[in-house]
Amino acid sequence: DGGITQSPKYLFRKEGQNVTLSCEQNLNHDAMYWYRQDPGQGLRLIYYSQIVNDFQKGDIAEGYSVSREKKESFPLTVTSAQKNPTAFYLCASSISGVVGTEAFFGQGTRLTVV
Amino acid sequence: KQEVTQIPAALSVPEGENLVLNCSFTDSAIYNLQWFRQDPGKGLTSLLLIQSSQREQTSGRLNASLDKSSGRSTLYIAASQPGDSATYLCAVTITGGGNKLTFGTGTQLKVEL
Repeated sequence: DGGITQSPKYLFRKEGQNVTLSCEQNLNHDAMYWYRQDPGQGLRLIYYSQIVNDFQKGDIAEGYSVSREKKESFPLTVTSAQKNPTAFYLCASSISGVVGTEAFFGQGTRLTVV
Repeated sequence: KQEVTQIPAALSVPEGENLVLNCSFTDSAIYNLQWFRQDPGKGLTSLLLIQSSQREQTSGRLNASLDKSSGRSTLYIAASQPGDSATYLCAVTITGGGNKLTFGTGTQLKVEL
């Protein structure tokens, strides 16, 4: 089955820790995205990548880092610099180079600071 | 800056009713508008994608319209069922780089028996 897989589903972080959220897709999409969802707010873009080895900051990139070493993978690291990391994180992908194509989402990772 | 608004924030209807969800956006320079469904604690499922050159799209009991000049889209759900209960999100693809989406805050729908 083609799709986007996020892991883990639930993640707990202690104060001062860095944690990494996994996102893998087998849709052969060039573009991948990370969004954050908070209660009562729309999804906000953290980082996006149009092609391997290239990525750009979104609207709320502070305290986060990403890498794009493989086409199918786009991991997100939540660093200790992110002061309010508790949220639901969603990864998405789409065909790049063709603006206006459909975006597909994974099932999300819920991160909680303990 | 593009802003997307969805009204109402929550809606409760009896089963079988036809209903309309509204989405408005401030900048008409969009490539497309996408409607998503989100179940509690889950990811987003794409329902309909309307390109900026299109007026509407249909899938089963769902029909989405787009009026780009007025910055509005509606999602029409016919003969609602309890299984339609979810949060519905609209998002626009903005110009100026990639397929970045700007989301509304969603309409939480409950269809009661």
